[in-house]
Amino acid sequence: KQEVTQIPAALSVPEGENLVLNCSFTDSAIYNLQWFRQDPGKGLTSLLLIQSSQREQTSGRLNASLDKSSGRSTLYIAASQPGDSATYLCAVQGSNYQLIWGAGTKLIIKP
Amino acid sequence: ETGVTQSPTHLIKTRGQQVTLRCSSQSGHNTVSWYQQALGQGPQFIFQYYREEENGRGNFPPRFSGLQFPNYSSELNVNALELDDSALYLCASSAGGGEETQYFGPGTRLLVL
Repeated sequence: KQEVTQIPAALSVPEGENLVLNCSFTDSAIYNLQWFRQDPGKGLTSLLLIQSSQREQTSGRLNASLDKSSGRSTLYIAASQPGDSATYLCAVQGSNYQLIWGAGTKLIIKP
Repeated sequence: ETGVTQSPTHLIKTRGQQVTLRCSSQSGHNTVSWYQQALGQGPQFIFQYYREEENGRGNFPPRFSGLQFPNYSSELNVNALELDDSALYLCASSAGGGEETQYFGPGTRLLVL
């Protein structure tokens, strides 16, 4: 059974710092891994999708990496801004197309 | 192009009642997935509909049921509500019932008293 873990559960950093969020999964047989952002009272916004054959994806200040063999992904946020404050969730998609989710990392960027 | 919409935004029910939540998929999308997200947790997959047929189901009891209509909008029905059903219910649409990006609606917050 696939399990997804995100560490840390919460993170508070000063504005301008670079930071890394971690996601690990137990079953390497995945189709893709996705990172989402969730703002309070709102739905989920897809940030990056990495196919199983890819090693990383980049969008603006965000870079996500995938190491299937070790069951790990990282989301790197460069030059953090207060607007980056949100909960970040990772999810893996398996053979039945279900998304299996981590519990998220709550990120606070202090001005 | 309109995004994914859900109604209602908030709902309060009592234990034992029934509820219907609605989702309109993004234009051009034929697949809708439903998720339950308890406070402080990641979403849990309930089921997925592809072209009006159920295309996968998570570990939820039969009192959670769904429908997808010819215009690809969808309903989630929950019978015999329990206190633990209190959660944010999210629907997501995608283009082909496979491995592509899912686009999420804002969710329906359900409180069961």
